[in-house]
Amino acid sequence: GAVVSQHPSWVICKSGTSVKIECRSLDFQATTMFWYRQFPKQSLMLMATSNEGSKATYEQGVEKDKFLINHASLTLSTLTVTSAHPEDSSFYICSARTREKLFFGSGTQLSVL
Amino acid sequence: AQSVSQHNHHVILSEAASLELGCNYSYGGTVNLFWYVQYPGQHLQLLLKYFSGDPLVKGIKGFEAEFIKSKFSFNLRKPSVQWSDTAEYFCAVYTGANSKLTFGKGITLSVRP
Repeated sequence: GAVVSQHPSWVICKSGTSVKIECRSLDFQATTMFWYRQFPKQSLMLMATSNEGSKATYEQGVEKDKFLINHASLTLSTLTVTSAHPEDSSFYICSARTREKLFFGSGTQLSVL
Repeated sequence: AQSVSQHNHHVILSEAASLELGCNYSYGGTVNLFWYVQYPGQHLQLLLKYFSGDPLVKGIKGFEAEFIKSKFSFNLRKPSVQWSDTAEYFCAVYTGANSKLTFGKGITLSVRP
């Protein structure tokens, strides 16, 4: 079946550095990918919708310049957390959509020290 | 590693039929449990969640789910479905110990008018 690979699964970084998270659809082409964020004890929050070859659509309250999304091909979308701060520590998960179904990556736990 | 199983991939029902979607997880520790829904053309939406307390949780649109710890299950139910319930349904498990959210593969529900 279709698989979405997300990498890395765990990253620890220093405050002020940037972190890139990759989301790949391994055996299908995903015209649309979604990036979500989860804080402990809360439900998933959609951050942005990424369409191949065009600019991402960000949800209200999500800083475009801080969370850079690039969807350069039909199988790869990246989320870069720029100048990370401790409050950016969270669980980030991507999903990719085919015509019929939605598939989720395994997520990335970001810890900013 | 934790995992989430949703046993059916596609469920087809007639309006007014009762619904039960299965969700089983594998993780021995404390979990938070979620059911999400994605209606055609829309983004993922939280149906209900369980953190603690009463294992029978009521959500939006008449949905409910019961957490049975001994069976590692969190099945979603609705007494009488409507055509507008046609959507994809995802079960997700969050474990605070490793700060990880894991989704099931999802179930497509089609309700015939």
